[in-house]
Amino acid sequence: AQSVSQHNHHVILSEAASLELGCNYSYGGTVNLFWYVQYPGQHLQLLLKYFSGDPLVKGIKGFEAEFIKSKFSFNLRKPSVQWSDTAEYFCAVILSYNTDKLIFGTGTRLQVFP
Amino acid sequence: GAVVSQHPSWVICKSGTSVKIECRSLDFQATTMFWYRQFPKQSLMLMATSNEGSKATYEQGVEKDKFLINHASLTLSTLTVTSAHPEDSSFYICSARIRGQLAGPVGGQFFGPGTRLTVL
Repeated sequence: AQSVSQHNHHVILSEAASLELGCNYSYGGTVNLFWYVQYPGQHLQLLLKYFSGDPLVKGIKGFEAEFIKSKFSFNLRKPSVQWSDTAEYFCAVILSYNTDKLIFGTGTRLQVFP
Repeated sequence: GAVVSQHPSWVICKSGTSVKIECRSLDFQATTMFWYRQFPKQSLMLMATSNEGSKATYEQGVEKDKFLINHASLTLSTLTVTSAHPEDSSFYICSARIRGQLAGPVGGQFFGPGTRLTVL
């Protein structure tokens, strides 16, 4: 079955540290990839998404992600985190263009300390 | 824009009772809404797709008689957990697609804040 793996369950960083959250998916066909963020007490928000074209995608709040097809990966990065980035981050995929079915990873909890 | 609300935000009920959760699109119309479920430390799993004016489409393994979905208007979908049991305790999240947007990843979904259900 298709799945999404996020290997980092809990990440703790100091402000200004660099961030990379891993995301791998298991599906051999064309995928559409997403990163969502959920701040404490708030709803899921879209950070960025990849459909096609440049594999390096830039999103909101300084986040970016790189799609590496050969590695089935879509890792999220930020060069310098802030305390306000403390949140839960979810990677997700959609397997075709005519469906809304998001397949989510288990999420990574990021804590940033001042 | 594109705000989705859920009510209640948390609910505690006794085993055997039914619980209704509302999902509303506040500033747009949504012909399609989605219901997800999240167990602790697990991923969100799509339970069903709710279509305004028609029956919901349930994912494999989801009991349609236990999780009743009603999408009676373009701004409201409800999920009723019937005869709830402790194993139904979970975090239920809805999302909505803006009316007119095509199905698929381009249009996108807008998520509600979730409802925490605890069944004693």
